Amino acid sequence: KQEVTQIPAALSVPEGENLVLNCSFTDSAIYNLQWFRQDPGKGLTSLLLIQSSQREQTSGRLNASLDKSSGRSTLYIAASQPGDSATYLCAVISYGGSQGNLIFGKGTKLSVKP
Amino acid sequence: EAQVTQNPRYLITVTGKKLTVTCSQNMNHEYMSWYRQDPGLGLRQIYYSMNVEVTDKGDVPEGYKVSRKEKRNFPLILESPSPNQTSLYFCASSWGQGVGEQYFGPGTRLTVT
Repeated sequence: KQEVTQIPAALSVPEGENLVLNCSFTDSAIYNLQWFRQDPGKGLTSLLLIQSSQREQTSGRLNASLDKSSGRSTLYIAASQPGDSATYLCAVISYGGSQGNLIFGKGTKLSVKP
Repeated sequence: EAQVTQNPRYLITVTGKKLTVTCSQNMNHEYMSWYRQDPGLGLRQIYYSMNVEVTDKGDVPEGYKVSRKEKRNFPLILESPSPNQTSLYFCASSWGQGVGEQYFGPGTRLTVT
């Protein structure tokens, strides 16, 4: 059974710092991995999708990497801003699970201090 | 604007009173699904649909029903809600039979007393 873990559960950094969020998964047989952002009282916003054949994806100040064989992904945020404060979730879709079923980690709550 | 919409956003109801949460997407996606989010348990899939008239159970389907009569709509039905169904519910849609990028609605916070 696929399990997704995110460490740390919470992170507080000063504005301008570069930071890395970690995600690990137990079964490397995945279709893809997706990073989301969740703001309090709001829905999930898709940040980046990495297909299983890809090693990384970039969008603006965000860069996500995927090492499928080791079951790890990282989300790198450059030059963090207070507006980046949110909970970041990673999720994978595995072979063998119900179709399209995203298995989520519990998230990393990021706080960027001005 | 491409989006997934849900209604209502907030709902307080009593045990046993049937309710429906609507979900609609304007991206012509074949795949739609429902999740619930609970503290300490994270997000878990309830039901999904590969296309019109094709639905199947996710990880936590007990107490829920769905239907997919039109491609754009995927309502979640609670025929006899119970307090353990108090949760934050999300609808999602995707192209590519669910293995493409998934887009989520804003969420519906349901309280069952």
